[in-house]
Amino acid sequence: DGGITQSPKYLFRKEGQNVTLSCEQNLNHDAMYWYRQDPGQGLRLIYYSQIVNDFQKGDIAEGYSVSREKKESFPLTVTSAQKNPTAFYLCASSPVTGLNTEAFFGQGTRLTVV
Amino acid sequence: AQSVAQPEDQVNVAEGNPLTVKCTYSVSGNPYLFWYVQYPNRGLQFLLKYITGDNLVKGSYGFEAEFNKSQTSFHLKKPSALVSDSALYFCAVRDDTSGTYKYIFGTGTRLKVLA
Repeated sequence: DGGITQSPKYLFRKEGQNVTLSCEQNLNHDAMYWYRQDPGQGLRLIYYSQIVNDFQKGDIAEGYSVSREKKESFPLTVTSAQKNPTAFYLCASSPVTGLNTEAFFGQGTRLTVV
Repeated sequence: AQSVAQPEDQVNVAEGNPLTVKCTYSVSGNPYLFWYVQYPNRGLQFLLKYITGDNLVKGSYGFEAEFNKSQTSFHLKKPSALVSDSALYFCAVRDDTSGTYKYIFGTGTRLKVLA
């Protein structure tokens, strides 16, 4: 099955801890994205990457970090500097050329600070 | 900057009635517009897109959307609503003004179809 896999589905973090959310795709897409979803605020872009070893900050990058060492993988680390990390995190991927321009999403990771 | 707006937080419609979920956009250049649906605790599912061509775009599950350039709108429609259509709907635009691609989403509209 082709698609995007996010893991884990649920994640609990203690105050002061860093946690890493996994995102893997086998769609051969060049671009990958991380969004944060809070109730009533829609999706906000954290980081995105168009190519391996390169990525750009989105609108709310503070307190987060990413890497893109492989085309298939785009992990997101939520650091202790992120003061309010409790949210639903969505990973997506898309091609960057051609007419198939839509993004495909994973099933999300719900992060809760305990 | 590219943006989309969804003016309604919630839309209620009776089963069997037509539904409309509104979206307006603000872009420079030609818009690439999308509709997605989200069920509780799930990712977003792609419904349909407008890139170029016919202003009426047909998508999954009987949904369609009408692109209106003069009104800068891209409203989602369905002729006959089902209870199973109840979900959160997002309009999005692809922003490639900076030379890289990213997707900008509206705040979402919750559709409630009443039996």
